[in-house]
Amino acid sequence: DSGVTQTPKHLITATGQRVTLRCSPRSGDLSVYWYQQSLDQGLQFLIQYYNGEERAKGNILERFSAQQFPDLHSELNLSSLELGDSALYFCASSVATGEVSDTQYFGPGTRLTVL
Amino acid sequence: QKEVEQDPGPLSVPEGAIVSLNCTYSNSAFQYFMWYRQYSRKGPELLMYTYSSGNKEDGRFTAQVDKSSKYISLFIRDSQPSDSATYLCAMSVYSSASKIIFGSGTRLSIRP
Repeated sequence: DSGVTQTPKHLITATGQRVTLRCSPRSGDLSVYWYQQSLDQGLQFLIQYYNGEERAKGNILERFSAQQFPDLHSELNLSSLELGDSALYFCASSVATGEVSDTQYFGPGTRLTVL
Repeated sequence: QKEVEQDPGPLSVPEGAIVSLNCTYSNSAFQYFMWYRQYSRKGPELLMYTYSSGNKEDGRFTAQVDKSSKYISLFIRDSQPSDSATYLCAMSVYSSASKIIFGSGTRLSIRP
């Protein structure tokens, strides 16, 4: 168990809808990262927050947004969902600001299915 | 062509065998190299991290980087059924974790 929790585990929704994925980092970790993993694209970095502030942005669509709250939990909002958004969404956390050498602890993921 | 290429497998070997997992890449500027292990229905976990060329050993695992050939390898000695997982290679030009490019993963199965 990595200590990172994600809810919900599974989400089934329809095209055009909006969903919110939630992540609680390990105790003491200030950085939260969001990733998307799909069969055709593999694991892709979406966005990172450090202590409440956006730190880095990757291949995140404009329809997606995230935030990190004062208690350090984070939410990823996906709107106007399309079939291609069906994927596993992982949250990870680390203590520091986000160097490649920092160990990121991944949560179990949320499996999103868009019908 | 993808920046990082990895054979998806599946690769099936008997318990105790030496396993060799490989990735090739096209960007000669990559200087940070990682291997992640991902068990079914779990998130990835960092196994090995190396900077630049050379070998790094950690227990039964050895990571090797050959920058001249743009080729990295992960060797697993005395493989165990518990090593059955998907192995993702990853690499980055920059030291920022946000710039990591992941391979698509190789599924490995160790037969008892």
